[in-house]
Amino acid sequence: GAGVSQSPSNKVTEKGKDVELRCDPISGHTALYWYRQRLGQGLEFLIYFQGNSAPDKSGLPSDRFSAERTGESVSTLTIQRTQQEDSAVYLCASSLDRGLVETQYFGPGTRLLVL
Amino acid sequence: AQSVAQPEDQVNVAEGNPLTVKCTYSVSGNPYLFWYVQYPNRGLQFLLKYITGDNLVKGSYGFEAEFNKSQTSFHLKKPSALVSDSALYFCAVRDASGNTPLVFGKGTRLSVIA
Repeated sequence: GAGVSQSPSNKVTEKGKDVELRCDPISGHTALYWYRQRLGQGLEFLIYFQGNSAPDKSGLPSDRFSAERTGESVSTLTIQRTQQEDSAVYLCASSLDRGLVETQYFGPGTRLLVL
Repeated sequence: AQSVAQPEDQVNVAEGNPLTVKCTYSVSGNPYLFWYVQYPNRGLQFLLKYITGDNLVKGSYGFEAEFNKSQTSFHLKKPSALVSDSALYFCAVRDASGNTPLVFGKGTRLSVIA
């Protein structure tokens, strides 16, 4: 594929429901990141995966948030019992590896609205 | 802890004029610095990065940025703005000495007026 893809592009859900967001990184990229972008705010780091290493979950805001990644491919971000403050754009990025100088390539994001 | 400040929420500039989008940072060690751009309804795109070496970094679409260690700044510049440059610009920093995530600023919205 040409770039990072995310689905769905938009998601509207009711408070208390669970949602699952998907990210397909660029083929061959071993590092994968999830960010949250609230309206008018910068990007907030959530979690990253690097190969088979344990993920860095230091940015997850609560235990309602979790993410998985299958090998070096698809990742899913799950938000359980959604709250209105979870409304945001969720961005996924990938890079060749977790090297500090590597450029991250971003997907178009999933816009989540919790009613 | 590392942080990034983009002091201007909005920058307006006339087409053809030079533009500057400001960024200052704070890290405990040496910084790795990045600029990304977000066009409407599109994902973030990498513009340029400073890792080491020449303080003036040239990137995509005619943009450049100057690393100034004494002022802890990494301002984004372009000699002649285009209407198509109108977008949201994010500065980001990572501490070169630590294994920490990239930290982004809140973004600056650039409007180039014809």
